[in-house]
Amino acid sequence: SSELTQDPAVSVALGQTVRITCQGHSLRSFYANWFQQRPGQAPVLVIYGKNNRPSGIPDRFSGSSSGDTASLTITGAQAEDEADYYCNSRDNSGIPYLFGTGTKVTVL
Amino acid sequence: QVQLVESGGGVVQPGRSLRLSCAASGFTFGNYGMHWVRQAPGKGLEWVAVIWHDGSNQYYGDSVKGRCTISRDNSKNTLYLQMNSLRVEDTAMYYCAREVTRPDYYYIDVWGKGTTVTVSS
Repeated sequence: SSELTQDPAVSVALGQTVRITCQGHSLRSFYANWFQQRPGQAPVLVIYGKNNRPSGIPDRFSGSSSGDTASLTITGAQAEDEADYYCNSRDNSGIPYLFGTGTKVTVL
Repeated sequence: QVQLVESGGGVVQPGRSLRLSCAASGFTFGNYGMHWVRQAPGKGLEWVAVIWHDGSNQYYGDSVKGRCTISRDNSKNTLYLQMNSLRVEDTAMYYCAREVTRPDYYYIDVWGKGTTVTVSS
């Protein structure tokens, strides 16, 4: 079945850069969207489409894609970026919408 | 401001039913597709169901297909999820979410705070 696979956890030093990847066949046809979820809170959209940030999302968040892999990059990570991050895309086989397995980002 | 407020969660025994509601405000509800997404305790996000802006199409995740029905009342700005034959594994926080549709992409841009469903005997 279709799925989006993410690394379970990554860590980054304060002020450094971290890249989170999301791999899946659906990403060859559809853009990935990215959500940040802090403990006890609802998810928040941080990147959508090719590389678009909603209003209020800092420009240290950026997105990219190549083949079946999408990436979310945080350039100059801040303490408040410590959270779980999920990718998401549509799919045209089986389940029409997919969420990634999630990546826990720890800022050291 | 744009807001989604879920309600209807609670504790229910396995095999019973529950109807979740999501009240929308601050935008033209009938212009947007709407989703239900759930998150079991300590787990990741799981897509549950989607309904088109006009209610003409609905799609479901494999884990709820045949047991859940998503619907909407655009006159009441409300989204629903009827959940039948509930299982212990349906225990989760249930979020409703709004979808933006563009020619080249689709994305969820607004989430509610969620309502908790606990299935337990």
